[in-house]
Amino acid sequence: GIQVEQSPPDLILQEGANSTLRCNFSDSVNNLQWFHQNPWGQLINLFYIPSGTKQNGRLSATTVATERYSLLYISSSQTTDSGVYFCAVAFTGNQFYFGTGTSLTVIP
Amino acid sequence: DVKVTQSSRYLVKRTGEKVFLECVQDMDHENMFWYRQDPGLGLRLIYFSYDVKMKEKGDIPEGYSVSREKKERFSLILESASTNQTSMYLCASSLGNEQFFGPGTRLTVL
Repeated sequence: GIQVEQSPPDLILQEGANSTLRCNFSDSVNNLQWFHQNPWGQLINLFYIPSGTKQNGRLSATTVATERYSLLYISSSQTTDSGVYFCAVAFTGNQFYFGTGTSLTVIP
Repeated sequence: DVKVTQSSRYLVKRTGEKVFLECVQDMDHENMFWYRQDPGLGLRLIYFSYDVKMKEKGDIPEGYSVSREKKERFSLILESASTNQTSMYLCASSLGNEQFFGPGTRLTVL
């Protein structure tokens, strides 16, 4: 069946540290997005990245579609980076499947 | 910027009540989605719509129905609310491949 797995499930970082979050998926994807859910529950778009590499400030993402994984890099982490990070993929059509997320806590 | 709004941030209802959750987007998106989010389960798709008056079941449609009479508005209906429908409900819209989410409605059914 369809599987979207994220690792690690939980992560605690000291402010200023770097981290890598991983998303593995079970089949070829048409679409892949990374989201950050803030403490108020709002899902914020980080990247739309079905393949290749993108960067936005301290965040970057890479998707290797042929090997069925995507990575989200956070550099020089800040307390405002805390929250849950979700990977969402679509295999065909418009239906997205979400991983169970990585809960990140950045401590000062 | 894409704007997706939901009618309530918090809602408390009683078992057996009919509940309407409203979602509105202002970017003329074709596709709209309703998810629920529960601890440890991530987001699960309830229903989605790819056009006015069109709807498709997602992974967990039981106990829910939807309505899309206008392109910008997608409603989720709980015909008879039950305690196991206590959850965070998230609406999203998309044009093409990228989804944009509303702020969510935290529903408690007593």
